[in-house]
Amino acid sequence: QKEVEQDPGPLSVPEGAIVSLNCTYSNSAFQYFMWYRQYSRKGPELLMYTYSSGNKEDGRFTAQVDKSSKYISLFIRDSQPSDSATYLCAMSANAGGTSYGKLTFGQGTILTVHP
Amino acid sequence: DTEVTQTPKHLVMGMTNKKSLKCEQHMGHRAMYWYKQKAKKPPELMFVYSYEKLSINESVPSRFSPECPNSSLLNLHLHALQPEDSALYLCASSQENLLGQGERGYTFGSGTRLTVV
Repeated sequence: QKEVEQDPGPLSVPEGAIVSLNCTYSNSAFQYFMWYRQYSRKGPELLMYTYSSGNKEDGRFTAQVDKSSKYISLFIRDSQPSDSATYLCAMSANAGGTSYGKLTFGQGTILTVHP
Repeated sequence: DTEVTQTPKHLVMGMTNKKSLKCEQHMGHRAMYWYKQKAKKPPELMFVYSYEKLSINESVPSRFSPECPNSSLLNLHLHALQPEDSALYLCASSQENLLGQGERGYTFGSGTRLTVV
């Protein structure tokens, strides 16, 4: 079993739709949770960073963390064609752990928003 | 300056060549990373440097040799690579202590697309 599971999709939605992306994880040492967006042939770009359970909002993006269920989500409201990219969830362990500093990624979900 | 700069953007090398990838950041980050990414796969960690010291080596073959000359620079020296080493090589940096640092996380460069022929 992988430490982080993410449905690779692909996911295709019409412009304006609400997009929901999800990851589950098995390692309870993960304390920091990130969502990255990666356009083709580019490096990952940090969208959201959280370290506590609950919701965090930034513009059209909302990140949700449920540590009790080991489940994180990213919601994109009013999706645009420019949101078409691969979305990667990523997690890092707490300080003092042997894996501190290491980022563990999900497989990535390919999203296409069509006009 | 909130960028991680990687050079070159593209590199083609033969299996007997020696080349180096370079990475630079001026955000005061004290942790720097090398990741390898194959097509349609997530990035895979290769090395972690913390305060210019190698702290994690994910069992990477010795034909990849990292170097951290100072807190802003990270190199990856390549020698006798194989065609299967062709990939996007990503450099990243972060605050060493992620706890309670607000909008933190890794900042990635755009990568070097390496082709081994």
